[in-house]
Amino acid sequence: TQLLEQSPQFLSIQEGENLTVYCNSSSVFSSLQWYRQEPGEGPVLLVTVVTGGEVKKLKRLTFQFGDARKDSSLHITAAQPGDTGLYLCAGADNYGQNFVFGPGTRLSVLP
Amino acid sequence: DSGVTQTPKHLITATGQRVTLRCSPRSGDLSVYWYQQSLDQGLQFLIQYYNGEERAKGNILERFSAQQFPDLHSELNLSSLELGDSALYFCASSVEGVRSYNEQFFGPGTRLTVL
Repeated sequence: TQLLEQSPQFLSIQEGENLTVYCNSSSVFSSLQWYRQEPGEGPVLLVTVVTGGEVKKLKRLTFQFGDARKDSSLHITAAQPGDTGLYLCAGADNYGQNFVFGPGTRLSVLP
Repeated sequence: DSGVTQTPKHLITATGQRVTLRCSPRSGDLSVYWYQQSLDQGLQFLIQYYNGEERAKGNILERFSAQQFPDLHSELNLSSLELGDSALYFCASSVEGVRSYNEQFFGPGTRLTVL
C-alpha cells in the first residue's frame, strides 16, 4: 500500500511571507497532484506533475516533482489570506492505479 | 463550479436510519469516487466505480454500499447509521484514460449529521 506523508501538518504565517509544504513517499508515483480545499467545500485541483524534476508555476505557487518521483513540494511566494486552506497531495502508482491522498497541510495566512 | 453535483447538500437524521446520497459526474466522465471526511480530517477513500462497475474499494464499512447507474450517476447508501458516521461525503469524477492521470473533480459535498 502506497502512503503519502505531508509536512508540516499545520502552518500559520503572516501575509507576505513565503512558505513551502512537502509531500513525501517511499513509493514511486506515475503522477502527483495538488489540491486545495476550503472549509466546507470540495477539494479543487491545482496542478498535476508527471515528469521527475518537473517544475510548474501557477501565479505565486510553484510545484516541483522530485527527480525520483517519490516526493513533491509546493512553494507559495508572498502568501495572502486567500491562500488559507487545506493543501492535499495525491498520486497514483506506476500503473495508474491505487490512487491515494495525503493527510494534508492546513495553512492559515493571517492579515 | 466543477461540474459535479451532489444532493442533498445537508442531511440530518437519527441513529439507526438509512440515507442515500446522490452524485452526478461531469459530462463525459466515466469514473466516480466517494470519499468521507470527518471534522478536521483528511479524505478517506471509500469506493470507485467506472462505467457502472466497481473498480476499487477503500475503507468502506459493510453498512455502506454504492452503485453507478447506466446514466453514470452514482448513489452512496448508508444504513444503520451511527453517531460516528457524521461527516462530509464527497463525490468526485474523472476521465479515465492513459493521459488522464486520475485528475479528480469534486462536488460540493453532502454534510451528514446523525443525531
